[in-house]
Amino acid sequence: GAGVSQTPSNKVTEKGKYVELRCDPISGHTALYWYRQSLGQGPEFLIYFQGTGAADDSGLPNDRFFAVRPEGSVSTLKIQRTERGDSAVYLCASGQGNTGELFFGEGSRLTVL
Amino acid sequence: AQKITQTQPGMFVQEKEAVTLDCTYDTSDPSYGLFWYKQPSSGEMIFLIYQGSYDQQNATEGRYSLNFQKARKSANLVISASQLGDSAMYFCAGVRSNDYKLSFGAGTTVTVRA
Repeated sequence: GAGVSQTPSNKVTEKGKYVELRCDPISGHTALYWYRQSLGQGPEFLIYFQGTGAADDSGLPNDRFFAVRPEGSVSTLKIQRTERGDSAVYLCASGQGNTGELFFGEGSRLTVL
Repeated sequence: AQKITQTQPGMFVQEKEAVTLDCTYDTSDPSYGLFWYKQPSSGEMIFLIYQGSYDQQNATEGRYSLNFQKARKSANLVISASQLGDSAMYFCAGVRSNDYKLSFGAGTTVTVRA
């Protein structure tokens, strides 16, 4: 489809493991965002890319979290040494520039046992 | 970032009736934007409506309208003629001028009854 695609849709892992979550934005969108949504809460900002560079990673909770977007399209959110508190839905959104309407994917639900 | 408050965790509405979802925001910035998103059970956040702080008119998009009261710092969403497909979680979000990070409220679950 033409929307934002996120894989996997569900990921169950054990505490301490490494996970990667992928986001394929809408073609041509230069802005890409990662948000995290914990159960019963609104999404919280993690990181913003404009093109290939991370323009703002101030929302990443600690250095176990890292994200890349090497060719300015697909982005991967990487979480090292996962903890139970990392369990959440990770949402990706893309848009034109840094303002305006954002288009969200359906999210990747991460469960850390 | 802005602080967005949604005080209604859940609401029930009868099909074909209107429902108002409350949202208040806290910012000292003169310029900002307010959004409403719908999140069905599939998880995707769907943009509904946008209101800029300098917009003179309340925003409307089909059955959605935004009751923007700047002095009260409120941006309530009104859904008219509710449909069963409107059952979902609704989030209010704000963004400051020259910023791009959306601040979301905790959301309101709307259940439309037949």
